[in-house]
Amino acid sequence: EAQVTQNPRYLITVTGKKLTVTCSQNMNHEYMSWYRQDPGLGLRQIYYSMNVEVTDKGDVPEGYKVSRKEKRNFPLILESPSPNQTSLYFCASSSKTGATNEKLFFGSGTQLSVL
Amino acid sequence: KQEVTQIPAALSVPEGENLVLNCSFTDSAIYNLQWFRQDPGKGLTSLLLIQSSQREQTSGRLNASLDKSSGRSTLYIAASQPGDSATYLCAVRGGNFNKFYFGSGTKLNVKP
Repeated sequence: EAQVTQNPRYLITVTGKKLTVTCSQNMNHEYMSWYRQDPGLGLRQIYYSMNVEVTDKGDVPEGYKVSRKEKRNFPLILESPSPNQTSLYFCASSSKTGATNEKLFFGSGTQLSVL
Repeated sequence: KQEVTQIPAALSVPEGENLVLNCSFTDSAIYNLQWFRQDPGKGLTSLLLIQSSQREQTSGRLNASLDKSSGRSTLYIAASQPGDSATYLCAVRGGNFNKFYFGSGTKLNVKP
């Protein structure tokens, strides 16, 4: 089954404790991206990657890091989480960055709480 | 910077009604526009994608239209059902091709 898998589904942590949220897709997609969803603000793009070893900032990259060492994986790293990073996070992927008709597929989300 | 607005923020209708959800965007230089459905606590599921060169797309009871010049898209849902209750979001792919911009969504409640 084609899917984007995020882990963990829920995460509670404390300020300053480094964490990683994993994302993996099995569709051989070139493009992957991370979003955060906050009430009243909608989804905002954090980082995206066009292919292995190619990443770039979205609209809200501060406090986050990403890496793309393999095509299928795109982890999101919070080196020193703060309470304002409490949010619902989504990973997404699509194929063929040069095509205009490729849909965006989403993972189920990670609800992060930073105390 | 691209801004995407969805009106209304919430909508409650009786079962069987036809309804229209609206999405507007400020920069007409887009590659495509997608409509998504989000159920509580779940991820987003793509419903329809309209390329910038297209005017509309249809899937079952759903019809999405795009007027790029005026920066507007509508999602038409025919004969609504309680199972259609969810939040509907639109997103444009534009500017830098690899950036997506989302609206805040319309929360739809279809009453039996």
